[in-house]
Formats: sequence, structure tokens, C-alpha cells
Amino acid sequence: DARVTQTPRHKVTEMGQEVTMRCQPILGHNTVFWYRQTMMQGLELLAYFRNRAPLDDSGMPKDRFSAEMPDATLATLKIQPSEPRDSAVYFCASGLDLNGELFFGEGSRLTVL
Amino acid sequence: GEDVEQSLFLSVREGDSSVINCTYTDSSSTYLYWYKQEPGAGLQLLTYIFSNMDMKQDQRLTVLLNKKDKHLSLRIADTQTGDSAIYFCAESSLSGGYNKLIFGAGTRLAVHP
Repeated sequence: DARVTQTPRHKVTEMGQEVTMRCQPILGHNTVFWYRQTMMQGLELLAYFRNRAPLDDSGMPKDRFSAEMPDATLATLKIQPSEPRDSAVYFCASGLDLNGELFFGEGSRLTVL
Repeated sequence: GEDVEQSLFLSVREGDSSVINCTYTDSSSTYLYWYKQEPGAGLQLLTYIFSNMDMKQDQRLTVLLNKKDKHLSLRIADTQTGDSAIYFCAESSLSGGYNKLIFGAGTRLAVHP
């Protein structure tokens, strides 16, 4: 049963700490997206990769966020330093760049105190 | 710009039909989607419709597309308590050379006895 896997599922940290979230996309998918979900803003697109190349990270605060795909089986989203306003659920999604259908992971719930 | 709007809440009685509405702005969208999010989970694709269609039916789900008015609806027949979730409308937008999914804020469907 192919699915997108995200770790950690839950993370509580203190302001100023580094946070790294990981995503394993579905094997064979060539697009990876990072979304952030909050009650106030809904789903925000943070970053997009196609064939491991970053194509769009305009939704990401550049000073503290970074997204990478070191290989086809791993995408990472890093926040350094973290702030309380970063508290949210972060979703990774993968797909084939055909009809735009995305498969979402279960999310990483981040709480920054 | 790209924007997807939908009402935030809908409450229906079990057994009734639910209709969730959505408006979008990108007339060039190739596909339009309905995703479902259950508590504590990621988004899951329910159905999608190609922009040259005006209706698609899949068991209890009926999608209607009015391309002239840029209006999309999702009808759930015989709504069950298991249908309680947040439903997201999304349009695929060709931007910067790739298909990007733009999501609405989500409609929270509550099904009561």
C-alpha cells in the first residue's frame, strides 16, 4: 500500500531550536510539495520540487526555512530558529506531474513554545 | 490572482444530501478537485473533474462544474456520520511551468442524527 510517510508525527520544541521534518514520497512520484496548515491561514504552499529540483519556494520564509531533496526517497523541511508562530501541521504530498493529483502524508504537528 | 473560495461550515442531518459549493478564479484550470480531511489525518483525494466536463458521478458523490460561472459543487447523497470531515476544493493552476494545486479554506461538514 503505497503512501507518503512523514516523521515526526508530533514535535514539541522551544523557541530558537532547530526543527527538521522528513518526508518519504511515494516511489516513482516526481513531484513533492510541502504545505502548512493552520486554523487562521488554511493550507499554504511552502515549497515544490519536481524531479528533486526546487521549483518554487516563494511561500516559505527564507530567513528561517529551508527545503531540500537529498535523494528521490527523502524530502526535508528545516526551520532554524523556530518561533511560536511556526506552530502548525506540516504536510508533505507527492504526485506525478500529469493531472496534478496529490497524495498527502499524515502530517507533522509542530508546537513551538 | 489564483483564489478558491468555499463556505466554512455545513451541518446536515444523517440521510439527507449535502451540497458543498466552491468558486475558483483560474479559468485555465485543467482539473478541479475535492479532497477530504478527517481529524488528525492528511488530505485524501475524493474525486476530480476534467474542465471539459460538467458533471461526474461516483457512487454517492456528484460533482457539478459550471465553467462559465467558475463554480464547482460536491453533492453527497445519503450523508452518513462517517462523512463528517473537512472538504477542500482545489484548482490546478499552471503557474511557472508546473501544475500547482490551489486549495480553498475547507468546508467543515457536520452530520447529526
